[in-house]
Amino acid sequence: GESVGLHLPTLSVQEGDNSIINCAYSNSASDYFIWYKQESGKGPQFIIDIRSNMDKRQGQRVTVLLNKTVKHLSLQIAATQPGDSAVYFCAENIGGSQGNLIFGKGTKLSVKP
Amino acid sequence: GAVVSQHPSWVICKSGTSVKIECRSLDFQATTMFWYRQFPKQSLMLMATSNEGSKATYEQGVEKDKFLINHASLTLSTLTVTSAHPEDSSFYICSARVNLGGAAFFGQGTRLTVV
Repeated sequence: GESVGLHLPTLSVQEGDNSIINCAYSNSASDYFIWYKQESGKGPQFIIDIRSNMDKRQGQRVTVLLNKTVKHLSLQIAATQPGDSAVYFCAENIGGSQGNLIFGKGTKLSVKP
Repeated sequence: GAVVSQHPSWVICKSGTSVKIECRSLDFQATTMFWYRQFPKQSLMLMATSNEGSKATYEQGVEKDKFLINHASLTLSTLTVTSAHPEDSSFYICSARVNLGGAAFFGQGTRLTVV
């Protein structure tokens, strides 16, 4: 299950199960969203993105859903594998800015074999 | 995706010394690069936006004289931590976007330890 405490929220799933990681974004003017995966000691790695004129986008084993009404973004990972264990961040691009992204707090995904 | 290379991946320095971190876009030109700082188990915090050929834009609370940014070419931005102190120890990450409306790609990060 998902837990929120003093540190990063953690989601623990069994290998082979599907994972759903959620993110609430802050600005209704945001027009572009990205999910990143960050392994320990490394920089964030691009996973999938979605523009605000879409509500769903699929990649390989991953799906991003966007609900602009409630400013919510989710990342679904199918058949989660041990290699998926990492911290996942959502990022939003606020239209009209210099191009910097605003990052969410992150969720740590732990996959149990 | 585009490749951003950051160097060094880790560095240990003595208090009072300065450290330079390089960020290169390897297969594209980046007029804008971004520098982030990340504390353990926390998200990325934007420090500054590096603009090729002009002054960097710093986020509120980030000392520009402490964290010097130079973006001398379309493929290289540098961050110099001047007169480093132990509280500057952190994970520093750079990123660049192929275009302002597209995804940002990140370097490998630099672990700075000031002793």
